[in-house]
Amino acid sequence: AQTVTQSQPEMSVQEAETVTLSCTYDTSESDYYLFWYKQPPSRQMILVIRQEAYKQQNATENRFSVNFQKAAKSFSLKISDSQLGDAAMYFCALRTGTYKYIFGTGTRLKVLA
Amino acid sequence: NAGVTQTPKFQVLKTGQSMTLQCAQDMNHNSMYWYRQDPGMGLRLIYYSASEGTTDKGEVPNGYNVSRLNKREFSLRLESAAPSQTSVYFCASRRDRDSPLHFGNGTRLTVT
Repeated sequence: AQTVTQSQPEMSVQEAETVTLSCTYDTSESDYYLFWYKQPPSRQMILVIRQEAYKQQNATENRFSVNFQKAAKSFSLKISDSQLGDAAMYFCALRTGTYKYIFGTGTRLKVLA
Repeated sequence: NAGVTQTPKFQVLKTGQSMTLQCAQDMNHNSMYWYRQDPGMGLRLIYYSASEGTTDKGEVPNGYNVSRLNKREFSLRLESAAPSQTSVYFCASRRDRDSPLHFGNGTRLTVT
């Protein structure tokens, strides 16, 4: 069975510091995609970053980067220079098969001024 | 572009009432999805539509029906609402297999 696990229900970070959110997954497929989504209090789901499984290079989008460890089935999100606007729920997601997207239970990130 | 539009934003139903949640996308996406979000459980797939004219069950389909009216629209119907269906419902769409999901802003449904 395909699963996505986020073991940190809540994290805190000081403004301007760096924080890493963890995600592990399990799939028997070789062709898959991984995503991080952000959900601020407005409830909107916003794509933060994505990673293709067959690409060795870790994806980066401005202050957001991932550490993709394929053998360990780990996909962590690093947020550098944290800002107050980064406070949100963060969801890790796995696209498995042709149509299915499986989501983790989320990590609530608090940013302290 | 409006992206994915869901209506209504909020709804309160009594047990046993029926209602339809509407979803439309203007991005010419092929696949559309309905998820529910409950505290501590992430997003769970209710139904999806791979393409116009097809629908398939997801992880939690019981108590729901869907209609892919055309390429743009994908509705979710609750025939007889139950308190267990109190949740936030998200519609999403994607262009192709390697694309991310694009989400609507959600509908908060309360069943009393």
